[in-house]
Amino acid sequence: AQTVTQSQPEMSVQEAETVTLSCTYDTSESNYYLFWYKQPPSRQMILVIRQEAYKQQNATENRFSVNFQKAAKSFSLKISDSQLGDTAMYFCAFMKQGGGADGLTFGKGTHLIIQP
Amino acid sequence: EAGVTQFPSHSVIEKGQTVTLRCDPISGHDNLYWYRRVMGKEIKFLLHFVKESKQDESGMPNNRFLAERTGGTYSTLKVQPAELEDSGVYFCASSHRTENTEAFFGQGTRLTVV
Repeated sequence: AQTVTQSQPEMSVQEAETVTLSCTYDTSESNYYLFWYKQPPSRQMILVIRQEAYKQQNATENRFSVNFQKAAKSFSLKISDSQLGDTAMYFCAFMKQGGGADGLTFGKGTHLIIQP
Repeated sequence: EAGVTQFPSHSVIEKGQTVTLRCDPISGHDNLYWYRRVMGKEIKFLLHFVKESKQDESGMPNNRFLAERTGGTYSTLKVQPAELEDSGVYFCASSHRTENTEAFFGQGTRLTVV
């Protein structure tokens, strides 16, 4: 079974700063996918960024980028030039390759607060 | 295009009662997942439908939980009888049949059993 650990229950930074959310995972799988999801207050979870484990290049989506260290089983999310709208719960998630029949395995989440 | 919708958004019921949660996935999405988040804990997988068939229900807590997806469209998750430990937020997500496509989540149903 897989486990995903997010060691920061809550983080707070000033607007425009850069913040890094940590995520580690444990699995015996060699092929899998990693995700960061964002859940703003009272809204749906949305996908922020996705990484295929077989790709060495770190995924990037505008102000969001990841630092994927496969050997260390680490998958941190960096948010550059943070904005007030980035305030949300952030969940790191894992999915096995092969259709994801058993769905996503989530961490407990990190509550990120962007201060004006 | 409408996203994943869940009904109701909140439900407060007494222990022993029955509650049915509904999820309408995005049209055309064969995959439908149910997840649950108990306060302060991880979001846990409950089960996965591919169209109307249960692909994996290994995460269902016990036989008080019954999920259906008749016709491969919307899905219901019934809890009967509800217990205090069933309280939490129940999320539904849907995705295309193709592997590794993005899963779209609903807003969740917050269930409180008192």
